[in-house]
Amino acid sequence: QKEVEQNSGPLSVPEGAIASLNCTYSDRGSQSFFWYRQYSGKSPELIMFIYSNGDKEDGRFTAQLNKASQYVSLLIRDSQPSDSATYLCAVNMPIRAGSRYQGAQKLVFGQGTRLTINP
Amino acid sequence: KAGVTQTPRYLIKTRGQQVTLSCSPISGHRSVSWYQQTPGQGLQFLFEYFSETQRNKGNFPGRFSGRQFSNSRSEMNVSTLELGDSALYLCASSLLEGDRFHTGELFFGEGSRLTVL
Repeated sequence: QKEVEQNSGPLSVPEGAIASLNCTYSDRGSQSFFWYRQYSGKSPELIMFIYSNGDKEDGRFTAQLNKASQYVSLLIRDSQPSDSATYLCAVNMPIRAGSRYQGAQKLVFGQGTRLTINP
Repeated sequence: KAGVTQTPRYLIKTRGQQVTLSCSPISGHRSVSWYQQTPGQGLQFLFEYFSETQRNKGNFPGRFSGRQFSNSRSEMNVSTLELGDSALYLCASSLLEGDRFHTGELFFGEGSRLTVL
């Protein structure tokens, strides 16, 4: 099982609709969760982070976290063609030796979901 | 405020050679992380440095190494290059204090694209 899993897509959404991106993670001890956006040929940039269960809204973006289900999602409302990019889920995970926590954390990225917004 | 600067942006090497990549973090950022990005594997963590010390290391062979200098600039080195090392190598810096958990708020450079022939 991968530590952070995303559907690679491509996910195609019509302009103005809601785009829904999902991510699951393997380690229940993970504490913080991030969404990065990467345009083709560019480097990733942070767009959202969430630490607590529930929803966090920032403009057209909403991050949702359900720690019991080990599930993070990103909703993009009123999708625009400029939202077309690859979205990377990143999870701050405990570093373990077997099951034993080593006192440090690592940031693990999912494979990314390619999103296309169709005008 | 200048962003993360990586050099060189593009380079071509042959198998068996070695390569050194450089990263200058955002001024004031003391943590530097390196990632390898390929179409098949996505973004994979190489290592992280803080105050000249390697804090974390990913699952890469010993051919991959790095270091950080007192001014927070970092270099990574890959020796005995293999075809599979062809990738975009991304450096990211973040503002960390002491032993706080990694916040995940990384600022990435444009990357160094390495092609191994």
